[in-house]
This record gives sequence, structure tokens and C-alpha cells, in this order.
Amino acid sequence: QKEVEQNSGPLSVPEGAIASLNCTYSDRGSQSFFWYRQYSGKSPELIMFIYSNGDKEDGRFTAQLNKASQYVSLLIRDSQPSDSATYLCAVRGRGAQKLVFGQGTRLTINP
Amino acid sequence: NAGVTQTPKFQVLKTGQSMTLQCAQDMNHNSMYWYRQDPGMGLRLIYYSASEGTTDKGEVPNGYNVSRLNKREFSLRLESAAPSQTSVYFCASSREVNEQYFGPGTRLTVT
Repeated sequence: QKEVEQNSGPLSVPEGAIASLNCTYSDRGSQSFFWYRQYSGKSPELIMFIYSNGDKEDGRFTAQLNKASQYVSLLIRDSQPSDSATYLCAVRGRGAQKLVFGQGTRLTINP
Repeated sequence: NAGVTQTPKFQVLKTGQSMTLQCAQDMNHNSMYWYRQDPGMGLRLIYYSASEGTTDKGEVPNGYNVSRLNKREFSLRLESAAPSQTSVYFCASSREVNEQYFGPGTRLTVT
């Protein structure tokens, strides 16, 4: 079992709709969770992080964490074509000095 | 501030040749990381340095060596390149483990 798993997609969403990206992790002691966005040919950039159970909102982005079920999700409201990218989930284990990344989900927003 | 810089941007090597990828950050971060990214594989950690003077293996260290030259610089060396090392290499840094900032990447092809 991979430590961090994502559906590789591609996920296709119409413009203006809500895009939902999911990530599961195997280490129950994991303490920090991150979402990175990566445009084609570019480097990853951090868009959200969440440490506590529940929801965290930042503009059109909402990160949701459920530690009991070991999943973290990213919702993108009012999706725009500029949101088309690969989204990488990353997890920090308890006491770990590194992150473990999932394989990424490719998202396409259709005008 | 330049953030995280990497050199070179592109490189073509023949099997058996050696080379060093350079990475520098100007954000006074303690931790630095080297990842490789292959299609459909997400980001895989090669080596990391949690603080100046320390280095540790990541998920895929075989065939690589690293040097944390000082707080700013972290280099990755391929002693005898193999076609399996064809990839995009990213360097990242963070103040603590959590929010990592990535360089622009090096595209390496080994023939």
C-alpha cells in the first residue's frame, strides 16, 4: 500500500462547478497535510495546508481533513480554466523530517 | 529574493558520465530536499538535509550522493549516470519541514 494515494485522473470539471480532489494516507500518526498545484512544465507551488480535523477555507479553496478516516480533500469552488493543473497531496508523518507526496491528480476545467 | 535556484535547467548525459546538480536558496531555510519526478509517479524524495551538516536518504537514494555545502547550498551528484535516471529533478527548501518551496527544476536526459 502506498503511503499517500490519489486518483491520477484525469478529472474533468465544467467551468463554474466544484472540483473535488481526494487523498488517502496510511500513517495514522500523520500530523500535517498539504496541497500543491503544479502547472505543466512548472514546479509545484503550495496552495493549502491543514493540521486539524475539519475544514479550512482560503478564497475559492477548501481543504478538508478527516483523521479518523485518514483522508484529506481539496475543494475548488467556481472552477476556472486557470485551475487546470496537477494537484499533489503531501503528508508529514509524526516526527518526520520530510513529506511524502502522492502521485498527483490531473484536473482539467472545461470552458 | 530569488527563492530557490537550480542549475543547470537542462542537461543531456551519456551513460556512465557524471554530473552535479546545484541548488541554492536565499530564504535562510534550515531544510533542503532533492526530488525526482517521473510521469505518473508524483515527487519521490532522493535525499534531504534537515539542517546544515546533516543529510539523510529518502525513498530513492541509489545512484546519487549529496552535499550540504553550507546553509544556502545543497548539491546532488550522479557518479555514473544511467538511463533510469532520466527525469526532472527538483530542489526544495523549508524553514521547518512543512511549507516547502521548490526551484524551477532540471530536466536531465541520459542516453
